Amino acid sequence: NAGVMQNPRHLVRRRGQEARLRCSPVKGHSHVYWYRQLPEEGLKFMVYLQKENIIDESGMPKERFSAEFPKEGPSILRIQQVVRGDSAAYFCASSPTSDRPSFFGPGTRLTVL
Amino acid sequence: TQLLEQSPQFLSIQEGENLTVYCNSSSVFSSLQWYRQEPGEGPVLLVTVVTGGEVKKLKRLTFQFGDARKDSSLHITAAQPGDTGLYLCAGEAGGTSYGKLTFGQGTILTVHP
Repeated sequence: NAGVMQNPRHLVRRRGQEARLRCSPVKGHSHVYWYRQLPEEGLKFMVYLQKENIIDESGMPKERFSAEFPKEGPSILRIQQVVRGDSAAYFCASSPTSDRPSFFGPGTRLTVL
Repeated sequence: TQLLEQSPQFLSIQEGENLTVYCNSSSVFSSLQWYRQEPGEGPVLLVTVVTGGEVKKLKRLTFQFGDARKDSSLHITAAQPGDTGLYLCAGEAGGTSYGKLTFGQGTILTVHP
């Protein structure tokens, strides 16, 4: 069952370090979405990407956060100089079209010490 | 900003009872999805409703989209312990929202044997 794969599943970083979260979409899906689930909050949209293009990053903090979805390889969500408030579960979802996301991955739980 | 309010936030019932979870907004959505999320995993799509007044059934689960497409409900008949989990509703705005879902806070359901 080749669904959406995310790694690592758990990531611990100290304040000021960088976090790299990877997402491999369902085979054949060229649309990727990243969502963040903060403790005690619902999932919040961060960014929507197609292959090699960022389509909508309106939900992503302007500083320290970046995302890419290269022609080859997984989508990467990068958080520079992490702070404690970045601790959350980060979910990736993919879709074969620009419609709503079809499948969510298992998430990466980021803990910032 | 579109908001989705889910109620109740917590629901604890005995096996065999019926229950209803509500998802309400003052905004109109082009579609609404219901997900179930297990601890440590990503949301799994249960159903998508797109037409005002639409009713969909999935075994013991009945989903309804309000006529004005501003609200939805999930009804579970004869709940079982296996139904325990976090239930999330998510709405998609019209136009060019492409997967930019607005999630409710979720309902944590516990079904006791």
